[in-house]
Amino acid sequence: DTEVTQTPKHLVMGMTNKKSLKCEQHMGHRAMYWYKQKAKKPPELMFVYSYEKLSINESVPSRFSPECPNSSLLNLHLHALQPEDSALYLCASSQFEGQHRELFFGEGSRLTVL
Amino acid sequence: SQQGEEDPQALSIQEGENATMNCSYKTSINNLQWYRQNSGRGLVHLILIRSNEREKHSGRLRVTLDTSKKSSSLLITASRAADTASYFCATASDSNYQLIWGAGTKLIIKP
Repeated sequence: DTEVTQTPKHLVMGMTNKKSLKCEQHMGHRAMYWYKQKAKKPPELMFVYSYEKLSINESVPSRFSPECPNSSLLNLHLHALQPEDSALYLCASSQFEGQHRELFFGEGSRLTVL
Repeated sequence: SQQGEEDPQALSIQEGENATMNCSYKTSINNLQWYRQNSGRGLVHLILIRSNEREKHSGRLRVTLDTSKKSSSLLITASRAADTASYFCATASDSNYQLIWGAGTKLIIKP
């Protein structure tokens, strides 16, 4: 069972909507990640937070806005998305960033943009 | 960016048989990890092998690492229907803390 919880599991939104994806972990991990995964492809890194500060932004368009309110929570705010943004969005955590340790993934949020 | 190449891209075997997947990479690594992903779900970490290790076991899983050939293999013995999933390798290097992912192997176990 995953110890990283993502909500919602499914989200359908129009291109003018504003929505948020949420991620929570209670393992005491200090690094949290957002990945985007298209069908039959490996996950692509979007953002990394380390100790609640944005550490890496992989040149993600500004219509995706991450937020880390505290060490257990990670949000991804979505606004004015495009149909090509439809994908599985995965949250992950690790004990620390840069320690080459394994990632713990949530089950993902399946996003469809109409 | 993608570093890993996995082969085969897809593998279909009978239940009870062994399944072998391979992963090749291009630069020196700190460790190599294998993950499993059931259809439409999150990834689950299976095993991590460090660059100074050659072989590692976990239950029915056996991972080998050949740093001279820059390749790794994942062997699943006595496969079960529940092993049906996509398997990804990912490498971590000392110069890039973030994991670099392979393209994945889709494994189908036929009952």
